[in-house]
Amino acid sequence: NAGVTQTPKFQVLKTGQSMTLQCAQDMNHNSMYWYRQDPGMGLRLIYYSASEGTTDKGEVPNGYNVSRLNKREFSLRLESAAPSQTSVYFCASSEGVVLSEKLFFGSGTQLSVL
Amino acid sequence: DQQVKQNSPSLSVQEGRISILNCDYTNSMFDYFLWYKKYPAEGPTFLISISSIKDKNEDGRFTVFLNKSAKHLSLHIVPSQPGDSAVYFCAASGGFGNEKLTFGTGTRLTIIP
Repeated sequence: NAGVTQTPKFQVLKTGQSMTLQCAQDMNHNSMYWYRQDPGMGLRLIYYSASEGTTDKGEVPNGYNVSRLNKREFSLRLESAAPSQTSVYFCASSEGVVLSEKLFFGSGTQLSVL
Repeated sequence: DQQVKQNSPSLSVQEGRISILNCDYTNSMFDYFLWYKKYPAEGPTFLISISSIKDKNEDGRFTVFLNKSAKHLSLHIVPSQPGDSAVYFCAASGGFGNEKLTFGTGTRLTIIP
């Protein structure tokens, strides 16, 4: 019972480098999300996908792009990483398309941008 | 502008006693509230939720209370156990433009054996 799987778990980037965070869920959920967690800031929504084929901006979308590859997979791309993007990133999914439903989270990606 | 506030960054409680975690919100349109628990190096996991049509919801050792007039909710854990040591986040949603969850900053609960 994998649930929500994120890769990689850790990553160090230099300023200006690009990378893609991968996320997959095996619960047949419709909605998927990317959050970032920073000290003293709680969890902030970057992008979400309420259903396959749709994506929308969240609270802090600048500097990121997303792709809902299929119902299972939702990737987050940093085109030109900046030190301000140093954070812990969480992917999450929920069963329906109501965005306030119970979320199931992955274990996170610790990203450092030097 | 923090719409969901957890003003206590940390809390220590003796094992077996009651733990009370507090959360305040400013948006009167919020009508659905959740608590999540997070262990180190893991993602948050759902704990308990409450709709604004209720003022209390109970699940085993966990009870959430909602005071709409004060825009305040609290999570009670009775009795507290060492495995309850974690960071607890409250979250809220509701109203036009607020369908998505807004999270608080979290409270680190430490249960002292």
